[in-house]
Amino acid sequence: ETGVTQSPTHLIKTRGQQVTLRCSSQSGHNTVSWYQQALGQGPQFIFQYYREEENGRGNFPPRFSGLQFPNYSSELNVNALELDDSALYLCASSKGQGTDTQYFGPGTRLTVL
Amino acid sequence: EDQVTQSPEALRLQEGESSSLNCSYTVSGLRGLFWYRQDPGKGPEFLFTLYSAGEEKEKERLKATLTKKESFLHITAPKPEDSATYLCAVQPRGTSYGKLTFGQGTILTVHP
Repeated sequence: ETGVTQSPTHLIKTRGQQVTLRCSSQSGHNTVSWYQQALGQGPQFIFQYYREEENGRGNFPPRFSGLQFPNYSSELNVNALELDDSALYLCASSKGQGTDTQYFGPGTRLTVL
Repeated sequence: EDQVTQSPEALRLQEGESSSLNCSYTVSGLRGLFWYRQDPGKGPEFLFTLYSAGEEKEKERLKATLTKKESFLHITAPKPEDSATYLCAVQPRGTSYGKLTFGQGTILTVHP
């Protein structure tokens, strides 16, 4: 059984740029959730995708957007990067509409200079 | 708004010295409480899900318990490889999606 994978592992961008992060869900899972984890903090929910549609969103501005594809993989896009966007971005996959246990990928470390 | 507070923030133990981590929560109807383990620079690894007060689950040296206001993660005779950050998260009822609200974590260090 293949686990959740994310790419890239690390990324360095400058303020104002745009970034796309990618996630492949675990085999048999159809829901993907994205979280932002600042250093020393717990993960914060960004949004969740089920059947290619956003079905829940946390307190993040519209410059954070996403997509889910027919194979259940997902992208997180962040526009107009700010210094505070520097964090570990985590993708989690689950079954159903996301209320089952979520299994996390290794994360993408984003640094904004 | 859902809230999760974990204590202590950091815990240092000697190998074999048992202890407990606390997770206090406020949620408008609990669907589930989750424990994860996170190693530095890696994603959280799932440990347990608890659904109702009185429920207990065990895995190797770890045992998780749940009351209506808090959860405990008991670590019996820990080993250095148990060193990690332990995260607690709650998922509320009443939503069609599975948002997890996490605490800030407890950093556990086990010395040989």
